[in-house]
Amino acid sequence: DAGVIQSPRHEVTEMGQEVTLRCKPISGHNSLFWYRQTMMRGLELLIYFNNNVPIDDSGMPEDRFSAKMPNASFSTLKIQPSEPRDSAVYFCASSSDLAGSEQYFGPGTRLTVT
Amino acid sequence: GQSLEQPSEVTAVEGAIVQINCTYQTSGFYGLSWYQQHDGGAPTFLSYNALDGLEETGRFSSFLSRSDSYGYLLLQELQMKDSASYFCGVGQAGTALIFGKGTTLSVSS
Repeated sequence: DAGVIQSPRHEVTEMGQEVTLRCKPISGHNSLFWYRQTMMRGLELLIYFNNNVPIDDSGMPEDRFSAKMPNASFSTLKIQPSEPRDSAVYFCASSSDLAGSEQYFGPGTRLTVT
Repeated sequence: GQSLEQPSEVTAVEGAIVQINCTYQTSGFYGLSWYQQHDGGAPTFLSYNALDGLEETGRFSSFLSRSDSYGYLLLQELQMKDSASYFCGVGQAGTALIFGKGTTLSVSS
């Protein structure tokens, strides 16, 4: 298996621009998680899906952030408009159980907003 | 509310044994997970404890005491490559894993 795939690996954009991060989970995994990691805040859960349905989006920082999972093999995290404080590494992870006790992480997307 | 506490930093020498503790406070607890993350890398799954006791996987072991709301990760025969951040994560009913702030382990020769 190729593991969790994320794209792009690096993204540099200017404040105010729209950013779309992409994730392909491991085939057969029915739960998908989006995280943000910074030195200050650590690893924060933003949103997670089970069977393509959003279960908990309470970690999404504000309305500028949105996530979709149109099918079992693809998810997007969109930030519009982006701000410098959104600079972080964004990880996608997938799991075969609802709560994700055993999760497999993608390589992450390093986002820099200038 | 819910909370997770683990030390921010631990240092040790090659060949030593180190224990990274994790205490938690949550409702609907059902398991404790451990992840390793090297600098610039992604977290990787190490272990999961749903029941009290010790789980051993090679040089790494993980322990859970549900009555004490406490667990630990034990790393034996430390190697330089074990230098990384280690996160405990609490599984709870109705929501996804919640991670601690992580413990940075530095192994020196």
